[in-house]
Amino acid sequence: SAVISQKPSRDICQRGTSLTIQCQVDSQVTMMFWYRQQPGQSLTLIATANQGSEATYESGFVIDKFPISRPNLTFSTLTVSNMSPEDSSIYLCSVGGGAKTSGYDNEQFFGPGTRLTVL
Amino acid sequence: AQSVSQHNHHVILSEAASLELGCNYSYGGTVNLFWYVQYPGQHLQLLLKYFSGDPLVKGIKGFEAEFIKSKFSFNLRKPSVQWSDTAEYFCAVYDGGFNAGNMLTFGGGTRLMVKP
Repeated sequence: SAVISQKPSRDICQRGTSLTIQCQVDSQVTMMFWYRQQPGQSLTLIATANQGSEATYESGFVIDKFPISRPNLTFSTLTVSNMSPEDSSIYLCSVGGGAKTSGYDNEQFFGPGTRLTVL
Repeated sequence: AQSVSQHNHHVILSEAASLELGCNYSYGGTVNLFWYVQYPGQHLQLLLKYFSGDPLVKGIKGFEAEFIKSKFSFNLRKPSVQWSDTAEYFCAVYDGGFNAGNMLTFGGGTRLMVKP
């Protein structure tokens, strides 16, 4: 299985500022995913981050608000820009899933999450 | 697009009671099915998964799930719950269709509380 770490684990931010969340994986993976889990709700995919290309965003999420970097096969960052209280969520990094990534047999592994509170 | 429904948002049981959590999905093609668990203060962990073969899948901690293709269902069961099973449970479906990409679709989650 993949071991995923995220930094920071939690943060409290002011409205209008930005926060960059880091995700580190213990093995090389083709695709990394960023999810959001709003209070009391399920997980929603924000975007898929491919190494060497632009991230693919899901409906309702845009690059200007959630810029993503994927500089190598073990690391990715998600920035939450110009934050508002509505951005208060847990943000999760995930790897694996699907035939395009090798070795994980359609199983996805999740990081511990970053709990963001925007005042 | 795939959608996943979990019928029970909150379930409260006493220890030793039997558990069944419902999960239905919408896509009629090839799917891979998962149940994840999130214990309080912890991150998501895989409970069990179904890819093919025997539709009755055994997972960790005494959990099992049955894939019924005709009903588009993948219900989670445990014969006798323990206080330590208190957690939130998520059903997820990987849509194996041509245009699906590599995306898990999650259900809304079921929050289980087991009373000692």
